[in-house]
Amino acid sequence: EIVMTQSPGTLSVSSGERATLSCRASQSVGRNLAWYQQIPGQAPRLLIFGATSRATGVPARFSGSGSGTEFTLTISGLQSEDFGVYYCQQYKNWPPLTFGQGTRLEI
Amino acid sequence: EVQLVESGGGLVPPGGSLRLSCVGSGFVFSDYAMHWVRQVPGKGPEWVSGITSDSGSQGSAPSVRDRFTISRDNAKNSLFLQMDSLSLEDTALYYCVKDYRTSMPSLYFFDSWGQGTLVTVSS
Repeated sequence: EIVMTQSPGTLSVSSGERATLSCRASQSVGRNLAWYQQIPGQAPRLLIFGATSRATGVPARFSGSGSGTEFTLTISGLQSEDFGVYYCQQYKNWPPLTFGQGTRLEI
Repeated sequence: EVQLVESGGGLVPPGGSLRLSCVGSGFVFSDYAMHWVRQVPGKGPEWVSGITSDSGSQGSAPSVRDRFTISRDNAKNSLFLQMDSLSLEDTALYYCVKDYRTSMPSLYFFDSWGQGTLVTVSS
């Protein structure tokens, strides 16, 4: 099983600033990595797939980078609606498909 | 617009069984792999099980293997999860989730989620 580890656990950032979230895989997943945002009371929303590709409708301030075992989600010019919990997920090897434990972003 | 509507959740005693159902609309159901993902309130999502578009491949998390069975009926745009030997640790909100990729022989990532159906295992 590929274990995904996210850091930090909680990130506090002011509006307009940049947030950098990290995700590490226990073994290489290539670029088979997705990022999701979850706002309380809602289901997760796909942001990034293929490590760097934005999903439909995702603002350009969201960007993903990395490959292998180290990945980063960067949110530039934070807006109030960007708060929530962010999860990474690998789809290189299954079963199981695995998520990280999440990073809580506080604005 | 993609819609996924789950049903079948409820309160069940330890050792009991439940069958979850999901009906999809707004997309060609038979073209996409489908998944069940669960989430305990305040915790991260956990992939439970997935099945490819033609039911040719499927897989489950180790925590539910041999207890849960995923299936689908493309003629009825429906996804199912038969859950047996339920334990307290299975208590969660269960989401029906659509895979992103079309007609592929594998499982990938998730682009549309239902609102979830709550499963509570308690005596």
